[in-house]
Amino acid sequence: GIQVEQSPPDLILQEGANSTLRCNFSDSVNNLQWFHQNPWGQLINLFYIPSGTKQNGRLSATTVATERYSLLYISSSQTTDSGVYFCAVIPSGNTPLVFGKGTRLSVIA
Amino acid sequence: DAGVIQSPRHEVTEMGQEVTLRCKPISGHNSLFWYRQTMMRGLELLIYFNNNVPIDDSGMPEDRFSAKMPNASFSTLKIQPSEPRDSAVYFCASSFGPPSNTEAFFGQGTRLTVV
Repeated sequence: GIQVEQSPPDLILQEGANSTLRCNFSDSVNNLQWFHQNPWGQLINLFYIPSGTKQNGRLSATTVATERYSLLYISSSQTTDSGVYFCAVIPSGNTPLVFGKGTRLSVIA
Repeated sequence: DAGVIQSPRHEVTEMGQEVTLRCKPISGHNSLFWYRQTMMRGLELLIYFNNNVPIDDSGMPEDRFSAKMPNASFSTLKIQPSEPRDSAVYFCASSFGPPSNTEAFFGQGTRLTVV
């Protein structure tokens, strides 16, 4: 099946710093979503981005489907950004989301 | 909309007992998914329903697990008998339409502990 690799696995940032999280996938995809799992365990939708670029406040994402990767940018990070960021893809066909292992982000004041 | 609603939020049970997890998808959504999250295996799909019909149950670990969707607004995941290795967070998610071209939304999860 499709492989979804996220990097880095762990990231520690000082408050106010910027970061880029990467998601590589091994095959073509129909759909890609980014999620934030907060310290309470909730999975929060960030972006639905099968291709192109989207922005939402301090967060933005870019997916280059032809090159099989997606990037999540976090600018001016805040302590509330801490948690695990997951990339999930839907391979060609009609199968449900396949998740990567996540990037654990810790933002310190 | 209240989002995907799962109950209970936490469940502690003894090995061998039956456990039933419940999910109410977002109104109007016709695809429903059950996922399990563990430290070792991450987030993995257990089963996927479309229009109340199970489409893919290849992720269900074994016969002790069963899932039903009797109507468009309710689904259950049952474990009988439960074992300590079933301890995990179980998520339900729903989407409007087939997974390939719609966004999925997750419930808050049920944290199951089997002692």
